[in-house]
Formats: sequence, structure tokens, C-alpha cells
Amino acid sequence: DQQVKQNSPSLSVQEGRISILNCDYTNSMFDYFLWYKKYPAEGPTFLISISSIKDKNEDGRFTVFLNKSAKHLSLHIVPSQPGDSAVYFCAASANTGNQFYFGTGTSLTVIP
Amino acid sequence: DAGVIQSPRHEVTEMGQEVTLRCKPISGHNSLFWYRQTMMRGLELLIYFNNNVPIDDSGMPEDRFSAKMPNASFSTLKIQPSEPRDSAVYFCASSLALLNTEAFFGQGTRLTVV
Repeated sequence: DQQVKQNSPSLSVQEGRISILNCDYTNSMFDYFLWYKKYPAEGPTFLISISSIKDKNEDGRFTVFLNKSAKHLSLHIVPSQPGDSAVYFCAASANTGNQFYFGTGTSLTVIP
Repeated sequence: DAGVIQSPRHEVTEMGQEVTLRCKPISGHNSLFWYRQTMMRGLELLIYFNNNVPIDDSGMPEDRFSAKMPNASFSTLKIQPSEPRDSAVYFCASSLALLNTEAFFGQGTRLTVV
């Protein structure tokens, strides 16, 4: 069963605007969350992470927000750039092990 | 470091044939993961190893799938016999066997079973 869910398969945003990608999880044991970015014909690359002791983590144009009570996290990209067009995967792990559970991905298109 | 190296990049095989995918993790990493990417399930964890020992293989879909890690620098994922529904992109990833550390992915093997 899918423990990490990304309900929006795709998202289109104008260049310069904010992109918001959402992720929900079901396992309350998850305490570390990551976002990966994937270009076609390449492997996923790590983008940003957040521990459950925080509710926000920022790295340049990328900010991840965590709402533990809602079991929801989101990735904000601002301003969005055409080079951000890729598939974004949300992932989670629990303190019982270091394996990661991924969502199905959201394909972001940033329109110039 | 060259990163996680997977081979082959593409594999086309006939149904019923044996397929072997290979992975060389990043030197010094002691966790290795095999994932399969499909549209329906995204990145699906098949199996992972810590210090060459399989820790969780509950994601391996059927007995036709097997994985080995004979040493710290090499792992294989084997499908025997292969079926058309096994067609997908298979990724290998490695990390330090620590909590709250990210995994690094290879470029994947695109498998097509006809």
C-alpha cells in the first residue's frame, strides 16, 4: 500500500511564479522527509530534506514545509524557473531504518 | 567519486529470458537500495542491504526476482524468467547506513521485456 502519496501527477506554472508541490503520508513513524528531482533519462537527485523536529527548511529558492498533525508536506519553489521543469518525488523514512518510501511523483512544467 | 554506477543503461530481452542488472555503489556507502519506477507506484522499494546483508526484501514482487550483494562494491538484481510486466526503469541507490541521510541514485536501467 502506498505510504507516501502525491495526488497531483502534474503541475504547470508560469516562470517567476511560485510552484507548490504537495505530499501526504500515512505512517506516523515517518520522521525524516526528502524531496528529489528527476530529469528524463537520469536518476533522482536529492533536493532538500526536513526532520520532524522542524516545520520548515529553506535552501535558496526551495522551501519545504511539514505539518505533522496533518501528515502533509509541501515543497515551494519561488521564483520558478524553466530549468525547474522535472518530476519531483517526495520520500520519507522512519527511525526504525534508513530505507526510503517514495511517492508517485509530480511532473512540474515551468512555462517561460 | 563517479557516483552510483548501473549497467546496462538499456536492456531489451524476450519473455522468459534471464535478466541481470548490476550496480556499483558509492565507495564508503554501506547501504544499497534497489527501486523500480512505474507510473502507477512511482519509485517502489524492492530490497535494501546494510553492510552487504539483505535487511528488507518485502518489496520484491515475486520469487522470479532475486538480489545479491557479494561485496561492498557490487550488487545484482536478477529476474528469471522475465515477463513483459517487468518492463520498467530499475534504479540502484546507496547511502551511509545512518538515519536521516539521503540516498544517491544511479542513472537507472531501462528494461523492456518483449
